[in-house]
Formats: sequence, C-alpha cells, structure tokens
Amino acid sequence: DAGVIQSPRHEVTEMGQEVTLRCKPISGHDYLFWYRQTMMRGLELLIYFNNNVPIDDSGMPEDRFSAKMPNASFSTLKIQPSEPRDSAVYFCASSRLAGADTQYFGPGTRLTVL
Amino acid sequence: GNSVTQMEGPVTLSEEAFLTINCTYTATGYPSLFWYVQYPGEGLQLLLKATKADDKGSNKGFEATYRKETTSFHLEKGSVQVSDSAVYFCALSTGFAQGGSEKLVFGKGTKLTVNP
Repeated sequence: DAGVIQSPRHEVTEMGQEVTLRCKPISGHDYLFWYRQTMMRGLELLIYFNNNVPIDDSGMPEDRFSAKMPNASFSTLKIQPSEPRDSAVYFCASSRLAGADTQYFGPGTRLTVL
Repeated sequence: GNSVTQMEGPVTLSEEAFLTINCTYTATGYPSLFWYVQYPGEGLQLLLKATKADDKGSNKGFEATYRKETTSFHLEKGSVQVSDSAVYFCALSTGFAQGGSEKLVFGKGTKLTVNP
C-alpha cells in the first residue's frame, strides 16, 4: 500500500492567496483526519470525516478554513484568504476504524505564508 | 475532559543510555493509550499501544505499561541508539462506547536527541 499521500509537500504563498492542500487516504479506511502542527501550539486536530461526512470541525480555527471529502479517496483543506499565522505543517491521517485503531499519517505539507 | 500530560523536553542522552519519558492521563472510562513517534521531516507513526489496564505495549525495544492505578503510560527503552532521535507523543482515545470521542488526544510531544 502506498500509505497516505499528501500534496504538495511544500507550499509557499503570499498573504491573501488561496491555498488548497490535498490528501489521498489509504484505501479501505473510513476515517480521515486533518491536523496542524506548529512549534507554539503543537499538534492540533482541525477536522475529521467518517465515510466522507464531516463529524467534528470544532478545531477549524476560522471561517477562512474549509475542508471537503467528495469521495472516499480524496480530501481537501482550503484556506482562503491565507495569513502568515497559518504557516505550519498540515498532516492528513486515516484509519480503518476510530478509537483504539491506528491512525496512519501522511508526510505532511509544509505551508509558508509570506 | 480527556487530557494527556507528558514530560517536557528536550531530552538529550548518550547512545546506550536508558530512556524514560513520562506520560500521565486524565480520562473518563477506560481509554486506549498510544505512543506515536515522529522522525525528522516525517509524519507521525504508531510506536506501540495498549488497550486495557496492565497491558504492555512493545515495539523496536520500546515498552510502556498501562497503569490504571497511577493513570500512567511511561515509555522506556533500555539502550537508545542515535536512530531513536525523534519526537515522541503520548495519546489516548476513549471512543464513543464510553461516552468519549473517536478523536485521539495527544500530549505536546517530547523531543529526544541521542548523541553517539
């Protein structure tokens, strides 16, 4: 299995621009999670999906952030407009079940907003 | 609410030294407990887990025992290697069945550096 795939691996953009991060979960996994990691705040869960349906988006910081999962093999996290404080590493993870099941993380997208 | 507290880093050790990273938790019900590891430039990966009290998780020479009486899940390794240099995260999950959530709750992470 190829594991969780994220693209792009690095993104540099200017403040005010729209940014779209992409994720392909492991086939057969019903859960997909989006996390953000910064030095100051550590690892934060932004949103997660079960069977393509958003279950909990309480971690999404502002209305500038949105996430979709149009099908079982693809999800996007969009930031519009981007701000310098959005600079972070964004991880996507997937799991077959929830709770005690293992989450498999992608390599992350390092976002820099100038 | 559920929470995880792990020892502040960074931790710096010499090769072949003994490692302990402390982790304690607060949770309703009976959580499952995890240690994830993040190597430089990579995503997190599961290192080991335990799903009930007194279980011991182990992998790659690392061990952790689920201690319900002390609400702890300390990570240990008898002899660390340079290749163990990474950030280690303790985490828990309680699951809907116990009135919890499907989410993992992570600690803040402990950075380990092992010098040759």
